[in-house]
Amino acid sequence: AQKITQTQPGMFVQEKEAVTLDCTYDTSDPSYGLFWYKQPSSGEMIFLIYQGSYDQQNATEGRYSLNFQKARKSANLVISASQLGDSAMYFCAMRVGGSQGNLIFGKGTKLSVKP
Amino acid sequence: DVKVTQSSRYLVKRTGEKVFLECVQDMDHENMFWYRQDPGLGLRLIYFSYDVKMKEKGDIPEGYSVSREKKERFSLILESASTNQTSMYLCASIPIQFGHEQFFGPGTRLTVL
Repeated sequence: AQKITQTQPGMFVQEKEAVTLDCTYDTSDPSYGLFWYKQPSSGEMIFLIYQGSYDQQNATEGRYSLNFQKARKSANLVISASQLGDSAMYFCAMRVGGSQGNLIFGKGTKLSVKP
Repeated sequence: DVKVTQSSRYLVKRTGEKVFLECVQDMDHENMFWYRQDPGLGLRLIYFSYDVKMKEKGDIPEGYSVSREKKERFSLILESASTNQTSMYLCASIPIQFGHEQFFGPGTRLTVL
């Protein structure tokens, strides 16, 4: 069965510190993609970062990096130098199934950045 | 810029009404999706479509139907709305090519009284 697990319902981080949001996944498909999305209180889903299962290097996008550990089936999101605007829900998602594959989402982690 | 638009941000309907949620994307994407989002449950897939007139059930299709008559438009239909369908509904689209992110609409917050 394909599944995404986010074990942290909520997290706090001090402004300017780094934070890691956990994500583990389960799939038997050798080809898959892993995504992180941010959802502020306004509700829109904002794409942050993508990691392909065959990518050798960890993905990075500005202050976001994805710590991809394939053997452990984990795809943790690291946010460096947290800002107040980072307070939001964060969703980890996985795409399998080739061109028609839909995204499977975790239940999300609510991040709160303290000033 | 990819644009996915949804017909309403907020909608209030009565139990038993027929409800249409419309989604339009302007990037010629093949695949389109409808999710509902509830606190503590994440996003759950209702239906998806990978081509015009094609549809596939997702994880929670009961009580919903969909229509895709044109490539750019994917409609979600609640035949007889019930209070347990009060939720946030998100539409998304994605191209066939692997490695692209899903693009989401702004969401429709539906309340069924």
